Amino acid sequence: GESVGLHLPTLSVQEGDNSIINCAYSNSASDYFIWYKQESGKGPQFIIDIRSNMDKRQGQRVTVLLNKTVKHLSLQIAATQPGDSAVYFCAESGPYALNFGKGTSLLVTP
Amino acid sequence: GAVVSQHPSRVICKSGTSVKIECRSLDFQATTMFWYRQFPKKSLMLMATSNEGSKATYEQGVEKDKFLINHASLTLSTLTVTSAHPEDSSFYICSASASGSVGQYFGPGTRLTVL
Repeated sequence: GESVGLHLPTLSVQEGDNSIINCAYSNSASDYFIWYKQESGKGPQFIIDIRSNMDKRQGQRVTVLLNKTVKHLSLQIAATQPGDSAVYFCAESGPYALNFGKGTSLLVTP
Repeated sequence: GAVVSQHPSRVICKSGTSVKIECRSLDFQATTMFWYRQFPKKSLMLMATSNEGSKATYEQGVEKDKFLINHASLTLSTLTVTSAHPEDSSFYICSASASGSVGQYFGPGTRLTVL
């Protein structure tokens, strides 16, 4: 069936470097995608979203890129900080609810 | 941004008892609320979707008689885990969305431990 999945389960980056978290989706009809950040013991926190009529959207230190040709979504975090350490989920908007990917754990090392 | 709260944040109960978890949208009217379950180091698993004033729609494999959901108002939904057992121990998270909105705002989660 349709699914949303992540390429890498874990990612370790040095403080100050840029982070890139990838996500593949298979439902070509999806028109809305969201990135969430979840810290340990907390609920997911909205980071940024993008609609399918866009290729790129920028927020504060974060950029989401959407490549509809290869059904690929990425989250770029600039100048990664220790506070960015968390699990990041991509989600696509299904007909009734969000479909979540498996998550990527981002670890920022000093 | 929109704020969603959950209560309690943590609960420990004995096997066989029932536990109620509340989910509230504090600054918007949530026409739809979602309940998720999350195991350690896993993604969120949707349990059910509830629309205000109507019965919840449960995902396949989720027992509706065990996980009672009530969405009586536009700002409150409750999840009651009936006759809880240790295997029900998990992190339960709710989310809410407003009418016409695709985005969901998540609560902080409730850690349930059944002894």
